[in-house]
Amino acid sequence: RKEVEQDPGPFNVPEGATVAFNCTYSNSASQSFFWYRQDCRKEPKLLMSVYSSGNEDGRFTAQLNRASQYISLLIRDSKLSDSATYLCVVTYSAGNLIFGKGTKLSVKP
Amino acid sequence: SQTIHQWPATLVQPVGSPLSLECTVEGTSNPNLYWYRQAAGRGLQLLFYSVGIGQISSEVPQNLSASRPQDRQFILSSKKLLLSDSGFYLCAWNQLKNIQYFGAGTRLSVL
Repeated sequence: RKEVEQDPGPFNVPEGATVAFNCTYSNSASQSFFWYRQDCRKEPKLLMSVYSSGNEDGRFTAQLNRASQYISLLIRDSKLSDSATYLCVVTYSAGNLIFGKGTKLSVKP
Repeated sequence: SQTIHQWPATLVQPVGSPLSLECTVEGTSNPNLYWYRQAAGRGLQLLFYSVGIGQISSEVPQNLSASRPQDRQFILSSKKLLLSDSGFYLCAWNQLKNIQYFGAGTRLSVL
């Protein structure tokens, strides 16, 4: 069975904190990896792709460990606007994605 | 630039009534198209995908069907809705790099 597992949270953090989310996937043949962000009652939106060498986009850093089938997302200097659910996403066949259930983040003033 | 449209945004339907949700993509040709459902407290479940006109693949057996009558149009239908069909229905498209882009979704309540 193809699965993506995430800690549902919620993660309640103060503004300015650093927070990390983890995700594991079961299909070793997965080729592409992403983090999406979903605001309450809205559609998911791509936050960033995840590359084997790790990649950074401003305050966001994503890491991939293929051997352990593990993906992470680090958010530095959290903002109130970062409050959302973060979805870990992997491919299992050309173009088709499997979504984790998401990790909820709440950033408090 | 490419855009994806879904309508309606919200729908309340009685059990046993039919359903038709429409999704259209603009600014691209021959996209892959997808229908997902997100039930309350659950992850996104892929329902159908299409790689071309008239080509539909179903991921899960259910009370729903999909059609792609035109290159950039994807329709989700049901002849008779069940209570369990309630949820947030999302249409998505992609072409390269496996990145999928979502429409704003339709929130369906079956009563």
